[in-house]
Amino acid sequence: AQSVTQLGSHVSVSEGALVLLRCNYSSSVPPYLFWYVQYPNQGLQLLLKYTSAATLVKGINGFEAEFKKSETSFHLTKPSAHMSDAAEYFCAVSPNAGNMLTFGGGTRLMVKP
Amino acid sequence: DAGVIQSPRHEVTEMGQEVTLRCKPISGHNSLFWYRQTMMRGLELLIYFNNNVPIDDSGMPEDRFSAKMPNASFSTLKIQPSEPRDSAVYFCASYNDRNTEAFFGQGTRLTVV
Repeated sequence: AQSVTQLGSHVSVSEGALVLLRCNYSSSVPPYLFWYVQYPNQGLQLLLKYTSAATLVKGINGFEAEFKKSETSFHLTKPSAHMSDAAEYFCAVSPNAGNMLTFGGGTRLMVKP
Repeated sequence: DAGVIQSPRHEVTEMGQEVTLRCKPISGHNSLFWYRQTMMRGLELLIYFNNNVPIDDSGMPEDRFSAKMPNASFSTLKIQPSEPRDSAVYFCASYNDRNTEAFFGQGTRLTVV
């Protein structure tokens, strides 16, 4: 069985500040991990994915995430927030590549001017 | 490719009516997923098809829900009869084994009154 916990359903940062969105997972097999972003009234768009290669994964729009097996974490970061980053972010785990995603509850990121 | 196409984008129906949601996956993708998104339960996997065959339907809430994939380019999710608690955004996603990413449609927002 797999599960994902995203700490903080809402995160607010100032424009230019560091973005840190937390994700912890539970998996009985080596996981594949994903971060998706959802803009209002849109579908989900993949930001980045971990598929057992490099533990530091770089994605689109300046985001990156680090897989830490010892901490069962896959936190998402961005050095400097832009107003356009305001959206909902979902961490997801899969037992294999891209298949049967189990999502966390989501974190809504708000960016203040 | 136009991506995963879902129709309709919005559906408002009265309780007890039959509702059919449609999905056209990306050409060449051999897996298709239906997800449901609600405020209370977040994103849940309803059913997963591989090569047009239902592999896992354990997420389908009850017998009122049914899904079909008659061919590689089309799937439907049907609710009969619909109830107000079925109100949600329903997403379709497709995937193929050569990628490690599921692509999502823009969703159908269903409101049952």
